[in-house]
Amino acid sequence: RKEVEQDPGPFNVPEGATVAFNCTYSNSASQSFFWYRQDCRKEPKLLMSVYSSGNEDGRFTAQLNRASQYISLLIRDSKLSDSATYLCVVNQNTGFQKLVFGTGTRLLVSP
Amino acid sequence: DVKVTQSSRYLVKRTGEKVFLECVQDMDHENMFWYRQDPGLGLRLIYFSYDVKMKEKGDIPEGYSVSREKKERFSLILESASTNQTSMYLCASRRFMAGGSYNEQFFGPGTRLTVL
Repeated sequence: RKEVEQDPGPFNVPEGATVAFNCTYSNSASQSFFWYRQDCRKEPKLLMSVYSSGNEDGRFTAQLNRASQYISLLIRDSKLSDSATYLCVVNQNTGFQKLVFGTGTRLLVSP
Repeated sequence: DVKVTQSSRYLVKRTGEKVFLECVQDMDHENMFWYRQDPGLGLRLIYFSYDVKMKEKGDIPEGYSVSREKKERFSLILESASTNQTSMYLCASRRFMAGGSYNEQFFGPGTRLTVL
């Protein structure tokens, strides 16, 4: 079983739609969680951290469910510029803080 | 503006060649990382370095070595390149994290290596 699993997509949505991605992780000792965004042929960049209480940054909302070991990302009012691959990332707090990356979920927003 | 740079965006080498991939960061970060990214497999950690002259194996170190002689520079070496090392290689850096804290990890633009 992969340590971090995501639906690869692609998710094809029209502009203005709301879209949600889920991600599951296998290590119950994982301490912190993130979403990174990766544009085509570019490097990954931190989109947002995921807190236990849930957090929101503009049109983006991240949620964590520790009991079920999953993380979600909700994007409201999708823009064309949201088209990218979204990587679910888990920080394994095993001595050294090592990030484990999911394979990513591809989002395509169309006019 | 934080910056991680990699020596080449595209590189083509032949089987058996020794390949050097260079990464430089200007943020005085202690930790540096080398990943490879392949379709369907995501980012996989090859090697990382806590600090100068320190190195640790990641999840897939076979066929690779690294060097960190200066804080800002972390080199990945393919001793004898093989076709299965054709991939996108990404370098990253971050400030040292004490237990329970998190510092953002910054990536370089990547080097797409093709081994013929």
